[in-house]
Amino acid sequence: QQPVQSPQAVILREGEDAVINCSSSKALYSVHWYRQKHGEAPVFLMILLKGGEQKGHEKISASFNEKKQQSSLYLTASQLSYSGTYFCGTSEGQTYSGAGSYQLTFGKGTKLSVIP
Amino acid sequence: KAGVTQTPRYLIKTRGQQVTLSCSPISGHRSVSWYQQTPGQGLQFLFEYFSETQRNKGNFPGRFSGRQFSNSRSEMNVSTLELGDSALYLCASSSRTPSYEQYFGPGTRLTVT
Repeated sequence: QQPVQSPQAVILREGEDAVINCSSSKALYSVHWYRQKHGEAPVFLMILLKGGEQKGHEKISASFNEKKQQSSLYLTASQLSYSGTYFCGTSEGQTYSGAGSYQLTFGKGTKLSVIP
Repeated sequence: KAGVTQTPRYLIKTRGQQVTLSCSPISGHRSVSWYQQTPGQGLQFLFEYFSETQRNKGNFPGRFSGRQFSNSRSEMNVSTLELGDSALYLCASSSRTPSYEQYFGPGTRLTVT
């Protein structure tokens, strides 16, 4: 089942912060975050595994609350380069065993526009 | 390392024809997943291949098929094309372990007329 992302769109001024949420109705094993710029392929940002781990690099971080089946992506001090559509992809109850099946289900995306 | 490559980048086909798309994963990656991306439906999972075997398949009709070769390169085939098959087809490669980061190729833009 497709995860639900919110908000659908957000406009920020440079330097402002934003939070993008991703919710699922099913128990999750992992949450993946990607950013896609217009006309380009999605770019991997980070992966969070079951365990409530928080990750981040530079000014982009994310958390994963497995009990609530939610993940949030935090963008701080936004830059013009942050503009794009952010997707979360979720997997349910799978480990990364070599022989197992694996499927990512993506949300519809959150369009982020950063303006000067 | 070279990234994921997809060929062709653009394709125009007529309804009823068939098409084959190709994906070469990052060197060392044995998993290739295929996605269809459209403005209305977003990114939808087609199937995943790992070690030449289809491991999982999304909710697409049997007209969509794929295969993976011993060098991990993958092809996707769509037969009897319909107008609704017009989309960006993305493949993503992964090493699967220790985690499942997927790295996307640039995609093939398929237009069915």
